[in-house]
Amino acid sequence: GDSVTQMEGPVTLSEEAFLTINCTYTATGYPSLFWYVQYPGEGLQLLLKATKADDKGSNKGFEATYRKETTSFHLEKGSVQVSDSAVYFCALSRGGSEKLVFGKGTKLTVNP
Amino acid sequence: NAGVTQTPKFQVLKTGQSMTLQCAQDMNHNSMYWYRQDPGMGLRLIYYSASEGTTDKGEVPNGYNVSRLNKREFSLRLESAAPSQTSVYFCASTGLAGDRTQYFGPGTRLLVL
Repeated sequence: GDSVTQMEGPVTLSEEAFLTINCTYTATGYPSLFWYVQYPGEGLQLLLKATKADDKGSNKGFEATYRKETTSFHLEKGSVQVSDSAVYFCALSRGGSEKLVFGKGTKLTVNP
Repeated sequence: NAGVTQTPKFQVLKTGQSMTLQCAQDMNHNSMYWYRQDPGMGLRLIYYSASEGTTDKGEVPNGYNVSRLNKREFSLRLESAAPSQTSVYFCASTGLAGDRTQYFGPGTRLLVL
């Protein structure tokens, strides 16, 4: 079945450091890929998405490129801020279904 | 627009008690979902509803029932709560054709003693 694997956390960085959170997926066909972010005590909100191969999603300085050849959708940010501290979830949606399959989440802590 | 709202925010139950978690969206979305979030497990789909009047099981439906009361509301019921159902529950909705973005509520934290 479909699955999403993302790097284990937690990840701790200093402010202005470079961030990469790895995400790979297993799915038949051409899934849509998403990154969601969950700030402490809140629900999830969409951070960015990509719907076809080689698409790049971007938002708030975060980027991820849909790589079909490596079945990956790694999240990157050039300079993290304390306010980026949150849990990040990679997810996919396949075919005609609107259902999402989530990775287990990666907790990011950014220290001043 | 309030988006997706959930009530209550927090609940403590004793084993065997029942309760209903309420969810409503004001975005005229067709599809609605219930997830549970447990440490180290990500989000797991309990039930979903593709449209008013239809519901289907997700990955972890045992011990839960749902009702899609109308297009706006989708409730989750625990008939006889168990400690294993201690979790944070999220409701979500999707609506626009071709857009699979799900919009989440703030969650209900449930503790079953």
